Parts: sequence; structure tokens; C-alpha cells
Amino acid sequence: NAGVTQTPKFQVLKTGQSMTLQCAQDMNHNSMYWYRQDPGMGLRLIYYSASEGTTDKGEVPNGYNVSRLNKREFSLRLESAAPSQTSVYFCASSETGRGTQYFGPGTRLTVL
Amino acid sequence: AQTVTQSQPEMSVQEAETVTLSCTYDTSENNYYLFWYKQPPSRQMILVIRQEAYKQQNATENRFSVNFQKAAKSFSLKISDSQLGDTAMYFCAFMKTFGNEKLTFGTGTRLTIIP
Repeated sequence: NAGVTQTPKFQVLKTGQSMTLQCAQDMNHNSMYWYRQDPGMGLRLIYYSASEGTTDKGEVPNGYNVSRLNKREFSLRLESAAPSQTSVYFCASSETGRGTQYFGPGTRLTVL
Repeated sequence: AQTVTQSQPEMSVQEAETVTLSCTYDTSENNYYLFWYKQPPSRQMILVIRQEAYKQQNATENRFSVNFQKAAKSFSLKISDSQLGDTAMYFCAFMKTFGNEKLTFGTGTRLTIIP
């Protein structure tokens, strides 16, 4: 039982490049989330998915797209990376109505 | 919109002592959850403790306990018999019980346990 996994762990991009961050969970949770963490700030929600086939914007969605591929997987795509997207990205999942979210290990992304 | 405030950016305490981390929040909701998450240098976000707002009894998990004051919108974390492994960032977070289940985080408190 791996919980929530994320790939890659680290990534360096040049401005304008694109990439997809992958997230998978094996806890059969309906809800999945993408957060970013910047220095001096708590985690901020980018997008979330309450169930397979649905996605909604969070607090900071600009510059990102998401895909809920199936119940297990929820990917985050940067179409044209900008230095302002340098951050640590966390994926999380939860069982609907239970409250507690379980987090992946994070991806440290640097955009030059 | 909900806000979560952690007014102590950094704290330090001697090993084996007790330390209390503060958190206040602002909401018009009556039903919600409150959480404390720990983030050690490994970067992993680890749930420490959770509290349902409808419960009057304060949550406890081994050496960790909370003081939940609903009227004052205060949710402090007490760590007893602190250990070196407690060194980490601690985040307070809020979630409405009904509707979208989005966490709102505070800015964190960096706790250092001194040997």
C-alpha cells in the first residue's frame, strides 16, 4: 500500500517548456487535489477533483490544467512554464466526506 | 472565505519540555474540521491531529493534544515531552464539512527541538 505517489521528485524547466506532473493513489479515494507550496506560505489549492470525470479550480489555477484520468490518477500540466511557477507541488487524496487528506511526497519544480 | 492565521513563525524548545503552537481562524461556517499537519525536512506532509467542530471534547493523539475554543475561533496544538523528531514545520488547516472539501492552510510555524 503505497498511499499517494508523485513523479517526478525533482524537475528543472526552462521558461516556455511544458511538462506534466503525475499523481496516483491506491486508497480508492474519490477526491484528489493539487497544491503548491511557496516559501513563507502555506499550501494553496490549484485544482481539485471530487470524483472521476470532474475537476474544479482552486485558489491559484492560472497557468495550469488538470486531468482526472481515472479514479486513481490525477495529473497537473504546465503548458508554458514561467519562473513564477517555481514551487513545490503536492498531490493529495481523500475519501469524500471524511475530511482527512493524505499527501504525496511532493515535486520540487524549478523554472529558469 | 476562510482564513487561517499562525502568528508564530518560529519557536524553539528544549527536548522533553512542553510547547504550544497557536492558530486562529475566521469562518462563518458552523460545521468544519480543523487539522494540524507536520512537515519535517523530508517535505512529507503528515497528519498530526484533527478536530471536528461539533465535538466539544479536545482531540488527543499520544503526546499531541489540542485546545479547541470554538467561540474564540482558536485551535492550538500542545506537544508534551517534546522529542528531537518533532522538529518540523507545523501547519494549521481548516476545511468545511459540507460542500467542496478544500483545505485552507496557515503560513506555518517552524518548531525546533533543542537537545
